[in-house]
Amino acid sequence: DAKTTQPNSMESNEEEPVHLPCNHSTISGTDYIHWYRQLPSQGPEYVIHGLTSNVNNRMASLAIAEDRKSSTLILHRATLRDAAVYYCTEAVQGAQKLVFGQGTRLTINP
Amino acid sequence: DAGVIQSPRHEVTEMGQEVTLRCKLISGHNSLFWYRQTMMRGLELLIYFNNNVPIDDSGMPEDRFSAKMPNASFSTLKIQPSEPRDSAVYFCASSFRVRGYGYTFGSGTRLTVV
Repeated sequence: DAKTTQPNSMESNEEEPVHLPCNHSTISGTDYIHWYRQLPSQGPEYVIHGLTSNVNNRMASLAIAEDRKSSTLILHRATLRDAAVYYCTEAVQGAQKLVFGQGTRLTINP
Repeated sequence: DAGVIQSPRHEVTEMGQEVTLRCKLISGHNSLFWYRQTMMRGLELLIYFNNNVPIDDSGMPEDRFSAKMPNASFSTLKIQPSEPRDSAVYFCASSFRVRGYGYTFGSGTRLTVV
């Protein structure tokens, strides 16, 4: 199964940008990179996904390295509501399934 | 759309009893995933279906666990007999069977087996 590596925790301040890193050491050329977040007592929530190009949506931006061995989720202006556990994962080719690691617990300071 | 709907939200049962967790997919989605989350093991994929057919059940812990999709919009996860170590939050998620498409998760069922 795909394996991703993320820092256990990160901390940032409200209204500042946050860059959440992820390493994709075993990713293959056609595996999509997905990011989800999980707020306390809720199910995981889809944030963004991409293959090779950088992606933007209303929630965040996703920057993917040229060799695809790393990605960064960018929250442009963090709010207190962005405090959550953030998971990066990969949709393994042909299998579609997402395997989740331990994620990064993001704390936002007021 | 109401999203992925799971029931019940909370379930407390005695060891040895049968437990059935339910999940209603988002209309039009054709892939269904069951996950289990605990503090120790995080989010574990138990089983997933495409077009009502089980594709990968390698994450199902043992024969006490079974999952079905009797139709395109509904799934059940059954534990019989239940044990205290089955206590966890169980999530289902649905998606389109298209590479790269995101999942939508339900709010989960918190199961406590005493």
